[in-house]
Amino acid sequence: DQQVKQNSPSLSVQEGRISILNCDYTNSMFDYFLWYKKYPAEGPTFLISISSIKDKNEDGRFTVFLNKSAKHLSLHIVPSQPGDSAVYFCAVTQGGSEKLVFGKGTKLTVNP
Amino acid sequence: SQTIHQWPATLVQPVGSPLSLECTVEGTSNPNLYWYRQAAGRGLQLLFYSVGIGQISSEVPQNLSASRPQDRQFILSSKKLLLSDSGFYLCAWSAGARDIAFFGQGTRLTVV
Repeated sequence: DQQVKQNSPSLSVQEGRISILNCDYTNSMFDYFLWYKKYPAEGPTFLISISSIKDKNEDGRFTVFLNKSAKHLSLHIVPSQPGDSAVYFCAVTQGGSEKLVFGKGTKLTVNP
Repeated sequence: SQTIHQWPATLVQPVGSPLSLECTVEGTSNPNLYWYRQAAGRGLQLLFYSVGIGQISSEVPQNLSASRPQDRQFILSSKKLLLSDSGFYLCAWSAGARDIAFFGQGTRLTVV
């Protein structure tokens, strides 16, 4: 069963606009959430994270929002740039476990 | 600084042949180590993780096995490859599940 769901396989936005990538999880015990970015034929790289004690974390153009009651997190990229075009994965983990579980990813295309 | 090495970058193997993919980490001790597979439409699937030498947790029953003979070495193996084993295999390390995971460059395995 899928513990982490990224229901949009792809997203296309115009340069300069906002990109919103979504992620849903099933287990309320998950308490740490991460976003990774991946280019083809490369390993993913860490982007931003958030702990369950927060509902927002911001780093430059990237902001992650967490809604614990809805078991939902989102990544906002503002403004979007063509270099942001990649596959974005959300990942979750929980205290006491060393597992890091990823979603299926969303391919973001930012058009010039 | 810490680095992770994964090899080979690409591999073409016939069905029924054995497999050995190696991953080593430098610049840290007692890391968590992970093997993931990215198959078409499946996202990043966690295959194995290890929190110490000789300690392997398997996430998905399959044709693969993993071993950790040394603190910073993680090996993915198969005795007889299947066509369905084709995919992009990624090794990762972290200081703990709540820490950032750093990925290797991946191995593209094609079973023919």
